[in-house]
Amino acid sequence: GAGVSQTPSNKVTEKGKYVELRCDPISGHTALYWYRQSLGQGPEFLIYFQGTGAADDSGLPNDRFFAVRPEGSVSTLKIQRTERGDSAVYLCASSLTGGTGANVLTFGAGSRLTVL
Amino acid sequence: AQSVTQLDSQVPVFEEAPVELRCNYSSSVSVYLFWYVQYPNQGLQLLLKYLSGSTLVKGINGFEAEFNKSQTSFHLRKPSVHISDTAEYFCAVIPYGGATNKLIFGTGTLLAVQP
Repeated sequence: GAGVSQTPSNKVTEKGKYVELRCDPISGHTALYWYRQSLGQGPEFLIYFQGTGAADDSGLPNDRFFAVRPEGSVSTLKIQRTERGDSAVYLCASSLTGGTGANVLTFGAGSRLTVL
Repeated sequence: AQSVTQLDSQVPVFEEAPVELRCNYSSSVSVYLFWYVQYPNQGLQLLLKYLSGSTLVKGINGFEAEFNKSQTSFHLRKPSVHISDTAEYFCAVIPYGGATNKLIFGTGTLLAVQP
C-alpha cells in the first residue's frame, strides 16, 4: 500500500482481556517495527522484525506482549491479560531494509489502546 | 546506552516569529540524528536527518537543524513559523553500528503557534 496502515485506530477493552493490533507495512518493506507511546512521552521501541523473524525484541515489557509476522508482511501485536498501564498509542513503522540509519522509517497513524 | 533530552515540553510562539526547539543527546558511540513531527491524529513524519557531512541539515517545510558534536546537540530551527506548524516535534537518535534502525526518542516538544 501507499503507507503504513494500522487497525483498529481505537480500541477500548477491559482489564484482563486479550487484544490484537494489526500493522500492514508498505509493500516491499522488509523491516517492521513496533513502538509504544504513552501519554506525554516519546515513542519507546518494542520489537523489530527483519522478514518473518523477530531480530530484536528487547523492548517488549514482559511476557504478556507478543508479536508475529508469519509471512514477512502484515504483523500482529498481541497483548494478553491487559492492564491499565498498557493504555497507550501503539505505533508501527516499516523501512525498506533494516541496518543503518540511512533507511528511513515510515510510521502508521497508530492504534490507541484504552484499558478500563 | 543512549538518551535524548528535549528540555522544553511546550514552546508557544506567535505566527511569523522564529523558533528553536532544543535537543541534546547522550551516547558513548556516534549517532545518527533525526527530527520527526507528529500532527494530531497522524503518524510521525520525518522532518530531517543527519547522517554525516555538513552539520547544517535542511528539511521539509522550511525547517533546519545543526549538529554540534562538542555540545551533543541537534537543535531544530525555523525562521518564520505558520499556524500549520503547530504539532509535536520529536528528536531521535540511532547509534552507529547497530544491527537495527532502533530509534531512541526524546519526550517531545509541543510547538503551539498563535495568531
